[in-house]
Amino acid sequence: NAGVTQTPKFRILKIGQSMTLQCTQDMNHNYMYWYRQDPGMGLKLIYYSVGAGITDKGEVPNGYNVSRSTTEDFPLRLELAAPSQTSVYFCASRGQNSYNEQFFGPGTRLTVL
Amino acid sequence: DQQVKQNSPSLSVQEGRISILNCDYTNSMFDYFLWYKKYPAEGPTFLISISSIKDKNEDGRFTVFLNKSAKHLSLHIVPSQPGDSAVYFCAASWDSNYQLIWGAGTKLIIKP
Repeated sequence: NAGVTQTPKFRILKIGQSMTLQCTQDMNHNYMYWYRQDPGMGLKLIYYSVGAGITDKGEVPNGYNVSRSTTEDFPLRLELAAPSQTSVYFCASRGQNSYNEQFFGPGTRLTVL
Repeated sequence: DQQVKQNSPSLSVQEGRISILNCDYTNSMFDYFLWYKKYPAEGPTFLISISSIKDKNEDGRFTVFLNKSAKHLSLHIVPSQPGDSAVYFCAASWDSNYQLIWGAGTKLIIKP
């Protein structure tokens, strides 16, 4: 089991560029999450999904989009990147029966210049 | 408004001694609390949790205490080991909500 994998590990974007952060889990988890972590802060929820075809906004969704066409994949799309989106992005998943014990990927460090 | 607060950004403890990490919360609806541990360049990993119907949960060297009246929980690590050096996050959830609310984290440094 690879668990939760994220690509890329690092990325530098120019203002106005777009990109997709990839997230895949092989644990057959229904729930998947995208977080961002800014320096000295806790994790902020961007979007989450409770199953294939179902997504919902978290606390900080502006500037991002997601899709969930399969159980395994939950990509995060950044449109028109801005310096405020410079952060570390984590994808997580959890199973139906684990009460909010989420499993995390290694993160993507994104810099927007 | 921060609903989950970890007021100590960092904590330094001698190897072999007890480490105590604290977390306060403001939302009385929270009914489940979790601690995560995070090493540099890795994602957080689940450490231990506690339900609001309990006041203590123990797992090996790790014990979490919950004081509902004070809206306070703490994580005790005994004895502290060098591998415990990491950032520790407190998180909370309520009812069957899908979301976790996170504290800002405390960086624990274990000195040899």
